[in-house]
Amino acid sequence: AQSVTQLDSQVPVFEEAPVELRCNYSSSVSVYLFWYVQYPNQGLQLLLKYLSGSTLVKGINGFEAEFNKSQTSFHLRKPSVHISDTAEYFCAVSDRRTGGFKTIFGAGTRLFVKA
Amino acid sequence: GAVVSQHPSRVICKSGTSVKIECRSLDFQATTMFWYRQFPKQSLMLMATSNEGSKATYEQGVEKDKFLINHASLTLSTLTVTSAHPEDSSFYICSASDSSTDTQYFGPGTRLTVL
Repeated sequence: AQSVTQLDSQVPVFEEAPVELRCNYSSSVSVYLFWYVQYPNQGLQLLLKYLSGSTLVKGINGFEAEFNKSQTSFHLRKPSVHISDTAEYFCAVSDRRTGGFKTIFGAGTRLFVKA
Repeated sequence: GAVVSQHPSRVICKSGTSVKIECRSLDFQATTMFWYRQFPKQSLMLMATSNEGSKATYEQGVEKDKFLINHASLTLSTLTVTSAHPEDSSFYICSASDSSTDTQYFGPGTRLTVL
């Protein structure tokens, strides 16, 4: 079974500052890794995903994440945040063995960007 | 890009009634769809895996007789909340997997409020 731990429930940061949202996962098999963003009262939007290949993944809105197999981490980073980045961010894993992307989500990290 | 729709987007019902939520993949076929539930300020919890032409697979703790899932075609899965009670009030989100692009797409969610 897989599990996902997002180490910070809330991350306050000032506008234009860098940010890192931490995610660790556990799995006995190879996994796909994802970061999603959810704005209030809306569905999920895929930020980026790691399936294979380069461990540094670039996504939308200037976000990137690095897959670290030895540390079982997939931390999300952005060098300079905007007010509009304020949202809930979810790290997720999917078992590569199963078709259809059965996905387990972390508890979420609330990013709050202050002016 | 591929789109997954949900209908209705919002529903309010009386306690004891049943509510059906539809999830459609609009431009691809999905043999597998997933249903998630999200309580306020919490993460997405996987409820069940919906398989086209066969019975759904429910996660531990999810009552299959209360949350009826039907996946009658490659583009439609339905979730019926039977005899709904106020504690069933939640945000229900579906996802569908496009095997041709190895990508999972999430619907916009359905907000269920049971009075």
